[in-house]
Amino acid sequence: GAGVSQSPSNKVTEKGKDVELRCDPISGHTALYWYRQSLGQGLEFLIYFQGNSAPDKSGLPSDRFSAERTGGSVSTLTIQRTQQEDSAVYLCASSFQRGAAETQYFGPGTRLLVL
Amino acid sequence: AQSVTQLDSHVSVSEGTPVLLRCNYSSSYSPSLFWYVQHPNKGLQLLLKYTSAATLVKGINGFEAEFKKSETSFHLTKPSAHMSDAAEYFCVVARRGSYIPTFGRGTSLIVHP
Repeated sequence: GAGVSQSPSNKVTEKGKDVELRCDPISGHTALYWYRQSLGQGLEFLIYFQGNSAPDKSGLPSDRFSAERTGGSVSTLTIQRTQQEDSAVYLCASSFQRGAAETQYFGPGTRLLVL
Repeated sequence: AQSVTQLDSHVSVSEGTPVLLRCNYSSSYSPSLFWYVQHPNKGLQLLLKYTSAATLVKGINGFEAEFKKSETSFHLTKPSAHMSDAAEYFCVVARRGSYIPTFGRGTSLIVHP
């Protein structure tokens, strides 16, 4: 079956512009995560969605970052007024059930470069 | 609170020799532990997972890991490295009942012919 997909795969933008990153999770997966991976760093948790519950936004680094998940499926991560330090790979993952002990299935990521 | 430390940022081995990637964790509760692998320009893929059953966990591609509570370790091993094993490996700890896992900073495995 289809895995987690993300688009675009690469995005180059100018400082100050807004960007939208999209994630299509595996069908039927109720949990969805966004992570940021900077060069040489581990994965930094950004936001977590579980079903229709309010998302856990505790990892978002600033109010320039926001995310939504429509219909319990597709999710969009938006970065407003991008800065050079936002350059990173943004990874999306989904899992069948809630809980950090569940296996997560990752997309290939969106590589964002802010000039 | 929970944390995970991958003791080596880079490990270099020759093809056909054993692989050891080290991971130590800290958790206030009985943890679930994972190893994920990330090949270049790909997402992470689960290698194996410990969830309080057998302490020796076998994963894909010949990898295995042993949960040692007394040493708070979950090292990843493979008897014989293959060129295709070259990738980034992440150790992950998760507390049951929470929903945000903690990732290590990763170990880059380099395999020489």
